Parts: sequence; C-alpha cells; structure tokens
Amino acid sequence: QVQLVQSGAEVKKPGSSVKVSCKSSGGTFSYFGFSWVRQAPGQGLEWMGGLLPVFGIPNYAQKFLGRVTITADASTSTVYMELISLTSEDTAVYYCARDQTDTYDYDSSGHPITTVPFDVWGQGTVVTVS
Amino acid sequence: DVQVTQSPSSLSAFVGDRVTITCRASQGITNRLAWYQQKPGKIPKLLIYAASSLQSGVPSRFGGSGSGTDFTLTISSLQPEDVATYYCQKYDSAPRTFGQGTKVEIK
Repeated sequence: QVQLVQSGAEVKKPGSSVKVSCKSSGGTFSYFGFSWVRQAPGQGLEWMGGLLPVFGIPNYAQKFLGRVTITADASTSTVYMELISLTSEDTAVYYCARDQTDTYDYDSSGHPITTVPFDVWGQGTVVTVS
Repeated sequence: DVQVTQSPSSLSAFVGDRVTITCRASQGITNRLAWYQQKPGKIPKLLIYAASSLQSGVPSRFGGSGSGTDFTLTISSLQPEDVATYYCQKYDSAPRTFGQGTKVEIK
C-alpha cells in the first residue's frame, strides 16, 4: 500500500520561503508522477505543478512560475516543493499527490508529462504566512 | 490554458435522490477527466477516472459520463455519507486544472 507522508506544519513570515517534503513508501518511486496541490482556507483545489522523478523535469502552473520549485530525491523516495516570496495569500494546506499509474507522454516541447489522475494523497501540510 | 467550469457550486437533496454535477472544459480533453470527493477536514479521494471508470472500492451509486468538453458525475441514490465537496479535474495536459467544486448537502 503506497503512502505519502508529508512534513509538518509551518508558520512563515511574509517574504520568506517554505520547503515541504513528501516521502513515498510502499511502492516504486521514480516512474510515477507526483504533483503538488494546494487548498486555501474554504477554497477549492489548485494544481501547482508536478514532475516525473525519473526525468526530473517539472511542469508548473503559470500562476506559480518563478516562485515554485519541485524536486525529487530518488535515494529517499521524497518529493519536495519550495515556494518563495510568501504572502498571506499563500496560507493554505499543501498536498502532494501521486499518479494512478506509471504512464507518461511527451508534450509539444518534447518534455515528459503524465496524463493520469491522482489516486494517493499525502495528509497535507498547513502553511501559515503571517 | 483550458478552463474547467463546474456546476452547480452547491446543491441540497434528499436521501435517495439522484444527484447530477456537471463539468465543462473550454476545449476538448477526450476522456481525461477525473472526479474527486473531499469530505470536510479530509483529503481528496479519487472516485472516477477516464470520465466513466469507477475507482476500486467506490460504491456503484457513483457514475460518470461524457467525453470531449461535457462531463457529468451522477450519484444515483444520495446517502448521508455522500455529504462532501466534489471536484472534477482535467488531466490531459498541464496545467491539470480542477473545477471550482460542488458542495453536496442533505435536505
């Protein structure tokens, strides 16, 4: 049974950065895509970006370009999300999520992408910017 | 980017009612659409993938249909444990956008 365990809650000052980890256990790592999804208080789900560890090339939502970095460490089966230049609007629960299958494709730029939904989610990490 | 519009934003129905939620993509996404259920204070759970395939362990009262730009999630007989917010998500390409969510309550 695959499990994703995320790092603990964070309280950050505006202008600072946060790095959240997500450790995968119970399954293969490198060939499954991982994404980060956030949820502001009382709001919906927002996809931030993701990557396929075997290639290490991330895709980011336009909104977060320049502020988010997603990386993976295959030696520890851990995915990371770093967000810089934090504001109060970044206060949210941050989830990591794993793709349902180890299926990938290539986009028009030749970058590897995954085109499957998420079937495993981490428990969420509360990030408060205040 | 392809926009995903979900409706209604909320609904209230009686136990046993048939409930329908719709999701519309601004461009065709073939059948690469998923539905998730998020109960209050819980993590999202995959219900439906490939527009109409039921995820393992999900009750058969949940069903999905559609292709291209228009999709539907149906709960054939609403149960008290179905109180949750439901989200659609396109996953044909990045960004893997979610719909705005539909909050389902019991009358």
